[in-house]
Amino acid sequence: DGGITQSPKYLFRKEGQNVTLSCEQNLNHDAMYWYRQDPGQGLRLIYYSQIVNDFQKGDIAEGYSVSREKKESFPLTVTSAQKNPTAFYLCASSLAGTAYNEQFFGPGTRLTVL
Amino acid sequence: AQSVTQLGSHVSVSEGALVLLRCNYSSSVPPYLFWYVQYPNQGLQLLLKYTSAATLVKGINGFEAEFKKSETSFHLTKPSAHMSDAAEYFCAVSGPSNTGKLIFGQGTTLQVKP
Repeated sequence: DGGITQSPKYLFRKEGQNVTLSCEQNLNHDAMYWYRQDPGQGLRLIYYSQIVNDFQKGDIAEGYSVSREKKESFPLTVTSAQKNPTAFYLCASSLAGTAYNEQFFGPGTRLTVL
Repeated sequence: AQSVTQLGSHVSVSEGALVLLRCNYSSSVPPYLFWYVQYPNQGLQLLLKYTSAATLVKGINGFEAEFKKSETSFHLTKPSAHMSDAAEYFCAVSGPSNTGKLIFGQGTTLQVKP
């Protein structure tokens, strides 16, 4: 079955630690995205990548980093510089980074800072 | 700049009643519009999308939406609510510059009463 996988489903982090969230897709999509979801705030774009080895900052990139070394993988690192990282993180992909292509979403990772 | 406003953060209907979830958009270019559904602790699933082919768009699970340019609206409807429709619904508009970015509304939580 084609789709997007995110791991882990739940992640607990101590303050001051970096953590990496995994996102893998086998849909052969060129574009991938990371969103952060907080209650009552909808989805906010962190980073996106339209092609391998290239990515751009979204609206709330501070305290986060990404890489896109392979087409199917787009890991997100939440660094210690992110002031309030507790949130639900969603990865998505689309066939191409164009306006009319819908995005397909993974099941999400819930990050809690202890 | 593109933006989306979803009127009503919570909507409650009785089982069998009409579902109406409101979405208004702002876009400097002809928009592509999307409705997604999210069940608790899951990713988003596409319900339907508008890409200018037809103003009345039919989606999955009996939902449909009508694009009204004069009202800058894209409201989601379903004639008869089921208990399984209880979820959070997000309206989204394509972002600027044909990057594939989506701008999401704040979401509307639909409650279905027996």
